[in-house]
Amino acid sequence: GAVVSQHPSRVICKSGTSVKIECRSLDFQATTMFWYRQFPKQSLMLMATSNEGSKATYEQGVEKDKFLINHASLTLSTLTVTSAHPEDSSFYICSARAQGVGYNEQFFGPGTRLTVL
Amino acid sequence: AQSVAQPEDQVNVAEGNPLTVKCTYSVSGNPYLFWYVQYPNRGLQFLLKYITGDNLVKGSYGFEAEFNKSQTSFHLKKPSALVSDSALYFCAVRDTGGGKLIFGQGTELSVKP
Repeated sequence: GAVVSQHPSRVICKSGTSVKIECRSLDFQATTMFWYRQFPKQSLMLMATSNEGSKATYEQGVEKDKFLINHASLTLSTLTVTSAHPEDSSFYICSARAQGVGYNEQFFGPGTRLTVL
Repeated sequence: AQSVAQPEDQVNVAEGNPLTVKCTYSVSGNPYLFWYVQYPNRGLQFLLKYITGDNLVKGSYGFEAEFNKSQTSFHLKKPSALVSDSALYFCAVRDTGGGKLIFGQGTELSVKP
């Protein structure tokens, strides 16, 4: 089956620093990747949709200058949380949608737990 | 606008009993519906989907869901619950515009031995 990985799985950083999270589709090409954040025991909130080779589309209320998304290849998208603050602490999950067969499905990564001190 | 509702925050079931996790939706046009399960500190795992065809959809781990157009529901079911089924379950509908998934609030399923 389609596998999506995220790195790192867990990160702790100091307030004011930037953190990069990688999302990779391991055995398929993903034209579109999605970034979500999830607070404890709550639903997933879509932050942005990224298409390979073009700028990400951000959801209303998500600061694009704070959450930088790059989708440089068909297998890799990155989310950079710039100048992180404690309120950015959350569980970040990416998903990837394949070209062609399986287009209707999204495959989710295992998530990255970000803690900002 | 598309939306999904999961009316129950928590469902408690005894092991071996049937379980139902409810989901209702609101979409314009034909819905693409999904169920996902999430274990603690993990990403989402796909269980099943309805795109078209039979109203009863069978998925992973013995789960199934019934699409009911008149009631705009897509309830998740399993004939005999296992303790290992305890997790957070999300119903989702695919937005017809950009293809993104819109998730329900989630239902925490607790199966006790």
